Amino acid sequence: NAGVTQTPKFRVLKTGQSMTLLCAQDMNHEYMYWYRQDPGMGLRLIHYSVGEGTTAKGEVPDGYNVSRLKKQNFLLGLESAAPSQTSVYFCASTNPVGGLNEQFFGPGTRLTVL
Amino acid sequence: GEDVEQSLFLSVREGDSSVINCTYTDSSSTYLYWYKQEPGAGLQLLTYIFSNMDMKQDQRLTVLLNKKDKHLSLRIADTQTGDSAIYFCAESRGGTSYGKLTFGQGTILTVHP
Repeated sequence: NAGVTQTPKFRVLKTGQSMTLLCAQDMNHEYMYWYRQDPGMGLRLIHYSVGEGTTAKGEVPDGYNVSRLKKQNFLLGLESAAPSQTSVYFCASTNPVGGLNEQFFGPGTRLTVL
Repeated sequence: GEDVEQSLFLSVREGDSSVINCTYTDSSSTYLYWYKQEPGAGLQLLTYIFSNMDMKQDQRLTVLLNKKDKHLSLRIADTQTGDSAIYFCAESRGGTSYGKLTFGQGTILTVHP
């Protein structure tokens, strides 16, 4: 099993450009999440999904959109990139069991917006 | 609201014990977690503790939970250079929280030979 994979691994954008980050998981997990990681701020939840066809806003959703057309994929879109979106983006997935939520993380995408 | 706080840095010598501390504010937390992030990688779950426990031991790792003070700690015995990483504590609630985790800022552990 590959677990959680993310593409691309690195990307440099100019302000105003758009891009889509792809997350894929092969563990048949229902729940998927997108986080951003910034120095000294830990991980902040951008959007999440509790099943195919569903999405919901997290803590810092502005400037991002998501889609979950297939259970195994969760896409994060930036329509008009801004320098404040320079960050490392992580995808995670899980099937919570009895309140225990072990999230499995991808390797991350490092995005720089100039 | 939910808040999880950690100190940002810890430096220890190889062979010593490391203790990483975390405080949280949400009294309805059901599970508390410790994740490890190695350089250039994603997070991996190290261990977790259910909120009605006060201690959990797993090989070199000991987790202590003081629910009254909302304080969580991770002790790593005989710390090795391979333990150098960022350690995140996190908490989750049951019910309709949809499996969401709230993370602390992360503690950068540096182990010196």
